[in-house]
Amino acid sequence: GDSVTQMEGPVTLSEEAFLTINCTYTATGYPSLFWYVQYPGEGLQLLLKATKADDKGSNKGFEATYRKETTSFHLEKGSVQVSDSAVYFCALLSGNTPLVFGKGTRLSVIA
Amino acid sequence: NAGVMQNPRHLVRRRGQEARLRCSPMKGHSHVYWYRQLPEEGLKFMVYLQKENIIDESGMPKERFSAEFPKEGPSILRIQQVVRGDSAAYFCASSPNWGETQYFGPGTRLLVL
Repeated sequence: GDSVTQMEGPVTLSEEAFLTINCTYTATGYPSLFWYVQYPGEGLQLLLKATKADDKGSNKGFEATYRKETTSFHLEKGSVQVSDSAVYFCALLSGNTPLVFGKGTRLSVIA
Repeated sequence: NAGVMQNPRHLVRRRGQEARLRCSPMKGHSHVYWYRQLPEEGLKFMVYLQKENIIDESGMPKERFSAEFPKEGPSILRIQQVVRGDSAAYFCASSPNWGETQYFGPGTRLLVL
């Protein structure tokens, strides 16, 4: 079945450091790919998405490119802030299956 | 445009009681999804509903759990005779159509004592 694999956390970075959170997927067909962010005690917020190969999703300084050849959708940000501390979830939506999530990666940014 | 609303935000129940979780989708969205998040884990799909219909309940336990989305009013996830293992965060999401981006509510955190 469809699945999403994310790098395990936690990830701890200093403010202004470069962030990469790896995400790879397995799916039949051509899925849409998403990154959601969950701040402490809150629900999931859509961070960005891409619906076809080579699309780049971006929002709030975060970017991810849909790479069909490597089945990846890695999340990147050039300079993280303390306010970016949260759990980040990669997810896919394909065909008739519901959203499939990775296990999440906890990011802590220290000043 | 209000987002997805869920209530209560926190719910405490004793073993054997019933839990009712409510979800009001975003305006204009007729597709509702329920997910469960266990501590330190990702979200697992439970059930997908359209107005008055259950479309996919493949992720929902066969016993004690049920869901509905009536013509009027919110979607309800009902857990009967709760057990400690039901303690989790339950999230609702909605979308305008199947296959489109899902928007999530703030979740209901259920604690079973």
